[in-house]
Amino acid sequence: AQSVAQPEDQVNVAEGNPLTVKCTYSVSGNPYLFWYVQYPNRGLQFLLKYITGDNLVKGSYGFEAEFNKSQTSFHLKKPSALVSDSALYFCAVRGMNRDDKIIFGKGTRLHILP
Amino acid sequence: DTGVSQDPRHKITKRGQNVTFRCDPISEHNRLYWYRQTLGQGPEFLTYFQNEAQLEKSRLLSDRFSAERPKGSFSTLEIQRTEQGDSAMYLCASSLDRVANTGELFFGEGSRLTVL
Repeated sequence: AQSVAQPEDQVNVAEGNPLTVKCTYSVSGNPYLFWYVQYPNRGLQFLLKYITGDNLVKGSYGFEAEFNKSQTSFHLKKPSALVSDSALYFCAVRGMNRDDKIIFGKGTRLHILP
Repeated sequence: DTGVSQDPRHKITKRGQNVTFRCDPISEHNRLYWYRQTLGQGPEFLTYFQNEAQLEKSRLLSDRFSAERPKGSFSTLEIQRTEQGDSAMYLCASSLDRVANTGELFFGEGSRLTVL
């Protein structure tokens, strides 16, 4: 069965510092991996995805994520945090079987401190 | 607006009543998902469709929940005999799925259900 773990409920980072939001996954075979962001009272927005190829994936708003197959991780990163990055971040995974579904982690709240 | 739209955005109902939510996905998208989200939690998978075929329904979902996508376009999610525990945001998302590739999900703004 597929699963996603986001071990941190909240991450606090000072503005201008690098940030990391952690995600590990479990899936049969190779994964498709995603990160989404949710701002207050807004719908979920797609940030980036890993399908195949380069392990470092670049996405919207300067975010990137690194796929690590041996550690089954897909951590979200940004070199320099902005206050406007404060939001709820969700990692998601699906397997490569045609009927596999996308499931989400419980989310990590990111606080960027001015 | 060519995004995913959901209706109604808010629904307040009394326990025991039936409610129905509608989702209109992005027109060319072949896959449609329903999720449920409670405050501060991640989207919980409910069910999903590939065109008009319902591929899976969560085993955590009671028989009071049913979903359809009759022509492979819009979808409805019905909850019968609502309970207070059904209060949540119901999210619809769609994607364009191709062989050996998967598109990202595009989410609607959600339908918030409050059961009194």
